[in-house]
Amino acid sequence: GEDVEQSLFLSVREGDSSVINCTYTDSSSTYLYWYKQEPGAGLQLLTYIFSNMDMKQDQRLTVLLNKKDKHLSLRIADTQTGDSAIYFCAEDGGATNKLIFGTGTLLAVQP
Amino acid sequence: DVKVTQSSRYLVKRTGEKVFLECVQDMDHENMFWYRQDPGLGLRLIYFSYDVKMKEKGDIPEGYSVSREKKERFSLILESASTNQTSMYLCASSSGPGPVLYNEQFFGPGTRLTVL
Repeated sequence: GEDVEQSLFLSVREGDSSVINCTYTDSSSTYLYWYKQEPGAGLQLLTYIFSNMDMKQDQRLTVLLNKKDKHLSLRIADTQTGDSAIYFCAEDGGATNKLIFGTGTLLAVQP
Repeated sequence: DVKVTQSSRYLVKRTGEKVFLECVQDMDHENMFWYRQDPGLGLRLIYFSYDVKMKEKGDIPEGYSVSREKKERFSLILESASTNQTSMYLCASSSGPGPVLYNEQFFGPGTRLTVL
């Protein structure tokens, strides 16, 4: 089956960097995504990376992709209390119109 | 602005009741999805639809059915609710199919269903 795995919880201090890791299984995935879910809300797309890229930077966010190890990470620089949320990685399983989501990582930012 | 709405934010039902969860999108999207979200399990796909009157089973369809009579509306039905269906239910939509592979899904705010 398809499993996308993440650690369940990460705690950081305000101002530090956060790194959220994800391991996926389908090497045919074309795009990989990071979604953010704030308390009491649905998911919102945070960023994404095309599978032929190693890195993508978008302001405080850096996505790293290691296709050989099927490892995806999201780095948040200068983490703020407003970054406290659940973060989900997702793969597209090779243009199927479906997304396969990870288990989600709860990021807690301590002031 | 993209919008996916769900009929209720919170719902409490009794075991054995028939439950309808409604989802509406205003983006003229072809694809619509129903997920359930449980702690430690992430999002699991229940059913999805690529077009009106079309449906396909996801990973956990047992105990659920769906209806898509109009393009903008996708309903999830629990024929006889059970306590193990207590969960957060999320609806999503996306455009496609087509040659473009990038396929962002847009989510509603979720319905927290409690079955007593």
